[in-house]
Amino acid sequence: AQSVTQLDSQVPVFEEAPVELRCNYSSSVSVYLFWYVQYPNQGLQLLLKYLSGSTLVESINGFEAEFNKSQTSFHLRKPSVHISDTAEYFCAVRMFHGQNFVFGPGTRLSVLP
Amino acid sequence: GAVVSQHPSRVICKSGTSVKIECRSLDFQATTMFWYRQFPKKSLMLMATSNEGSKATYEQGVEKDKFLINHASLTLSTLTVTSAHPEDSSFYICSARVTGHSYEQYFGPGTRLTVT
Repeated sequence: AQSVTQLDSQVPVFEEAPVELRCNYSSSVSVYLFWYVQYPNQGLQLLLKYLSGSTLVESINGFEAEFNKSQTSFHLRKPSVHISDTAEYFCAVRMFHGQNFVFGPGTRLSVLP
Repeated sequence: GAVVSQHPSRVICKSGTSVKIECRSLDFQATTMFWYRQFPKKSLMLMATSNEGSKATYEQGVEKDKFLINHASLTLSTLTVTSAHPEDSSFYICSARVTGHSYEQYFGPGTRLTVT
């Protein structure tokens, strides 16, 4: 079975400051890794994903995440956040040969002016 | 990217009535769709896996007679909450897996169900 931990339930940060949202996972088999963002009263939007290859993946809006196999982590980072980044962020894993996702509990990022 | 729609986006119903939520893949075929439930300020919990033309597979603890799932075509899955009660109030989200792609899944925008 897989599990995902997001230790920080809430992360307040000032605008233009850097941020890191932590994600650790547990799995006995190889998994794909994902970060999804959810804005208020909306569904999930894929932010970025790690499938294979380079362990550093980037999104089009400045976020990046690095897969660290030895630490079973997939932390999300952004060097300078904007007010519009305020949202709930979910880390998720999916087995190579599975279908459904296992989501972490989510981290609420609040960007303050 | 691929688009998944849900209808309605928001529904309010009285206790004891049934509500149907539709999940459609608009520009791709989805052999498999998934239904999730999200409680306030909580993560998504998988309710069931819906396979086109066959019975859905429910997760442990999910009442299949209460949450009826039908996946009659490659682009449509429906979730019917039967005899709804206030505790069924939640945000329901579907996702659809692109046929032939093992990892590509797209999420719908969600349906907010409120049972009064």
